[in-house]
Amino acid sequence: SAVISQKPSRDICQRGTSLTIQCQVDSQVTMMFWYRQQPGQSLTLIATANQGSEATYESGFVIDKFPISRPNLTFSTLTVSNMSPEDSSIYLCSSGRIYNEQFFGPGTRLTVL
Amino acid sequence: GQQVMQIPQYQHVQEGEDFTTYCNSSTTLSNIQWYKQRPGGHPVFLIQLVKSGEVKKQKRLTFQFGEAKKNSSLHITATQTTDVGTYFCAERMEYGNKLVFGAGTILRVKS
Repeated sequence: SAVISQKPSRDICQRGTSLTIQCQVDSQVTMMFWYRQQPGQSLTLIATANQGSEATYESGFVIDKFPISRPNLTFSTLTVSNMSPEDSSIYLCSSGRIYNEQFFGPGTRLTVL
Repeated sequence: GQQVMQIPQYQHVQEGEDFTTYCNSSTTLSNIQWYKQRPGGHPVFLIQLVKSGEVKKQKRLTFQFGEAKKNSSLHITATQTTDVGTYFCAERMEYGNKLVFGAGTILRVKS
């Protein structure tokens, strides 16, 4: 299994600002993903973070709003840009080996005022 | 795109009663994974099913994958208060390994 940490665990931000969330995995993994979970809802995949190349975004999510970096196999960041109250959500990173289960970080609870 | 429908949305049971959540798809699923998310926590992997008609057990939890690979169920026997949380099914896409989650079933257990 993989142990995943995220920073910050929570934040309260003003609209129009940006927040960068960090995700650290304790072992080298092939796949890293970023999900959004709105209050009381299921998880929606934002993008797959690719090491050494641009992230692959899902429908409805764009790089300008959610830029992602993955400089190595164990670390990734997600930035939520130009935030609005609609961006208030829990953001989770996950990792896993191909064909296998995913392990999730503890999440970052974001509130935008 | 591919969608996995999950029911019920919410279930409140008396401790000791059984609980079942169902996932259904209009198309054949390549596999199904189940996750549990405790209140305030993050999803934790429970099981992966890949074979038609597969049944797997983990103590009081029984997981089934339909013969046609279009549905799956999670059954908990004699629920306990430690079972509370949201149970999600998810299909792991063959391309890209990403997960498509069902809506989840919230389980509450009255003691």
